[in-house]
Amino acid sequence: GQNIDQPTEMTATEGAIVQINCTYQTSGFNGLFWYQQHAGEAPTFLSYNVLDGLEEKGRFSSFLSRSKGYSYLLLKELQMKDSASYLCATTNDYKLSFGAGTTVTVRA
Amino acid sequence: DGGITQSPKYLFRKEGQNVTLSCEQNLNHDAMYWYRQDPGQGLRLIYYSQIVNDFQKGDIAEGYSVSREKKESFPLTVTSAQKNPTAFYLCASWDKYNEQFFGPGTRLTVL
Repeated sequence: GQNIDQPTEMTATEGAIVQINCTYQTSGFNGLFWYQQHAGEAPTFLSYNVLDGLEEKGRFSSFLSRSKGYSYLLLKELQMKDSASYLCATTNDYKLSFGAGTTVTVRA
Repeated sequence: DGGITQSPKYLFRKEGQNVTLSCEQNLNHDAMYWYRQDPGQGLRLIYYSQIVNDFQKGDIAEGYSVSREKKESFPLTVTSAQKNPTAFYLCASWDKYNEQFFGPGTRLTVL
């Protein structure tokens, strides 16, 4: 089975940095997705990590450690529009399993 | 433009009725998925299909049924056996290597 843990909520100030952690215990693992979801909308893709290490895409970076069952999403230079839910999901062949999501609130 | 379409955007159903949610993709992806999302929750996998004429149950398949007769289409039927069907339903497709694309979702309300 899949057990995926993320913090429920995080709050940060505009312009700051926030790190969202995701730990997983899975019976099989190929890679890990990060998605952003605004209320009432479909998720939008942020990253897909298959190999260990850090991948950077503009203000967003994602890290994966397969041996530790751990990933994080780093959001830099926070903007008000980054207030959203952030979902991590593991893949095992074609099957995906999502965590419950982390709601990030950015304050002015 | 390639993408995924879901219809309708909003759907209302009386208790005891079956209802079918549409999902179509033109991305040429082999795999398609149905997820359910309840308020403040993550996505839970209902069914997925890796190839035409084959599909697998996800974590919450009870009360739902699917078909995959064409690569482009993966309709979901919410049956009367689903005791609490009011939710946001998301369809997705994936090529296993890159981004999993999501449709805009269907919000189902049981009256």
